[in-house]
Amino acid sequence: DQQVKQNSPSLSVQEGRISILNCDYTNSMFDYFLWYKKYPAEGPTFLISISSIKDKNEDGRFTVFLNKSAKHLSLHIVPSQPGDSAVYFCLYNQGGKLIFGQGTELSVKP
Amino acid sequence: NAGVMQNPRHLVRRRGQEARLRCSPMKGHSHVYWYRQLPEEGLKFMVYLQKENIIDESGMPKERFSAEFPKEGPSILRIQQVVRGDSAAYFCASSPPDRGIYEQYFGPGTRLTVT
Repeated sequence: DQQVKQNSPSLSVQEGRISILNCDYTNSMFDYFLWYKKYPAEGPTFLISISSIKDKNEDGRFTVFLNKSAKHLSLHIVPSQPGDSAVYFCLYNQGGKLIFGQGTELSVKP
Repeated sequence: NAGVMQNPRHLVRRRGQEARLRCSPMKGHSHVYWYRQLPEEGLKFMVYLQKENIIDESGMPKERFSAEFPKEGPSILRIQQVVRGDSAAYFCASSPPDRGIYEQYFGPGTRLTVT
């Protein structure tokens, strides 16, 4: 029972272009989402979050969009840089319990 | 301010042995969370602890696994009589008391291999 779904296991993008990572969720009661980034042999690190009272949150090159009617989030990275190559997780925080998606491995090619 | 510390980083155990994984939260953080990442999967929540209290253990396997966060010292995740299926990366995260429902700060993980 996957409550947060990232259907693309991998994504390859050219440096300087836009990366779009997608995430779907099943529970319309979910109200606070996060994106974390993970490099190999390291723990995940917080990237950006969004509350359901908003439909967009921007932080530098990173923007998260929330479409509540479609139960869909997306993370946009523009411009993409080789250092952005990592696994990106979409998460819901359920009272302190983080519910992770399966992750999307982003590769940004120079 | 040091980050979340986990040790050991790598742990090898034979089937039937015990594994003890340690987590020292960031300074000022009194909430600790443990997650497990099985090969080719995302992270799965195991347990949420405050000092001397288990808040949510809904993700803990019913047998062989236990966790504690004593008043003094690190949080410990203990796995008794390990089996090959316990091989995974175990991550600890911490948060201040009022921020756990927002972001959590993760340690580098302990990679457990059961032979």
